[in-house]
Amino acid sequence: DAMVIQNPRYQVTQFGKPVTLSCSQTLNHNVMYWYQQKSSQAPKLLFHYYDKDFNNEADTPDNFQSRRPNTSFCFLDIRSPGLGDAAMYLCATSIFVGETQYFGPGTRLLVL
Amino acid sequence: DQQVKQNSPSLSVQEGRISILNCDYTNSMFDYFLWYKKYPAEGPTFLISISSIKDKNEDGRFTVFLNKSAKHLSLHIVPSQPGDSAVYFCAASALTFSNTGNQFYFGTGTSLTVIP
Repeated sequence: DAMVIQNPRYQVTQFGKPVTLSCSQTLNHNVMYWYQQKSSQAPKLLFHYYDKDFNNEADTPDNFQSRRPNTSFCFLDIRSPGLGDAAMYLCATSIFVGETQYFGPGTRLLVL
Repeated sequence: DQQVKQNSPSLSVQEGRISILNCDYTNSMFDYFLWYKKYPAEGPTFLISISSIKDKNEDGRFTVFLNKSAKHLSLHIVPSQPGDSAVYFCAASALTFSNTGNQFYFGTGTSLTVIP
């Protein structure tokens, strides 16, 4: 089945220790997104790639970076995680921007 | 500023009855709307969508209604089943005006509990 895969499902890191979350897709979609979702809040878009074109949301902290080495993979790098970065991180894909997005299962990040 | 609002954080319904989840939006340029369903510890799953050229879209037990003048959409689940218990998010985008900077706007979700 075509799908969006996120690894790991749970990630524990220490305050200030860099961490990388990964996402892969078999849908061959052009667009890949990273969202941050905290409890009882709407998913918040951090950035997205349209193919290799990177689009950063204006309010995404510099602490968050992303890489998309090929169509299938996209990474979220948090350079110096703070306690406030503990959240669920969702990866999604779509054929084109604005069209239906398909989500992975998410990675829950805990910062100690 | 929250452009998509779900004002009911939770809803409880008896099995077999109708569940109605509501969503309001403020941006008149939104022309594509979706509902997602999310179980605990899982990512949101696409449920049903509607474009602004329609006022109703139906898929099995799920029907979405769109009232453009009121900037309101609703999701009806009939009959409700215990397996429908989940958090439901509505989302909107300006598909017609899409460019590389466009995005989806999500509501904060409504937690539906269907009581057996």
